[in-house]
Amino acid sequence: QKEVEQNSGPLSVPEGAIASLNCTYSDRGSQSFFWYRQYSGKSPELIMSIYSNGDKEDGRFTAQLNKASQYVSLLIRDSQPSDSATYLCAVKRGSSNTGKLIFGQGTTLQVKP
Amino acid sequence: NAGVMQNPRHLVRRRGQEARLRCSPMKGHSHVYWYRQLPEEGLKFMVYLQKENIIDESGMPKERFSAEFPKEGPSILRIQQVVRGDSAAYFCASSQDIQETQYFGPGTRLLVL
Repeated sequence: QKEVEQNSGPLSVPEGAIASLNCTYSDRGSQSFFWYRQYSGKSPELIMSIYSNGDKEDGRFTAQLNKASQYVSLLIRDSQPSDSATYLCAVKRGSSNTGKLIFGQGTTLQVKP
Repeated sequence: NAGVMQNPRHLVRRRGQEARLRCSPMKGHSHVYWYRQLPEEGLKFMVYLQKENIIDESGMPKERFSAEFPKEGPSILRIQQVVRGDSAAYFCASSQDIQETQYFGPGTRLLVL
């Protein structure tokens, strides 16, 4: 079982729709959760971070965390063609001696005009 | 405020040569992380360094790979006697503290012929 799992997609949504990206993780000790966006040939760019159960909203983006279900999601409202990219879910363990991020494989999102 | 800087952006080496990848963290950041992204794969943690110290090298291959972050100057990831399987994008990230967000550099794309 992979530590962080994502559906590789592609997830295709029409422009203006809500895109829902999902991620599950295996380590119950995980404390910090991140969504990065990566355009083809570019570096990961932080979209959202979330640390406690519930929803966190930032503009068109909402991150949702459910630690009991070991599940984190990203909702993108009013999807735009410029949102087309690979979205990487990353998890950081709770141990204090390492800051390493564990990444999922990424979900490719295609927003069609 | 300059972001994380990496150079070179592209590096071509023949099998058996050495590759040196450099990373300058964001101003004020003293924590550096190296990740590797193989073609069609997700980002994998390699090593976490603070100034003059390797904190976690659990993701580093046992042979040929080494990393340093000297008191002065950039962090260096060194790959000796490169093989074709080393061809990948190598990303450096930095953070202000172990608990803080990691920001990624543009990456170095290594091609081994």
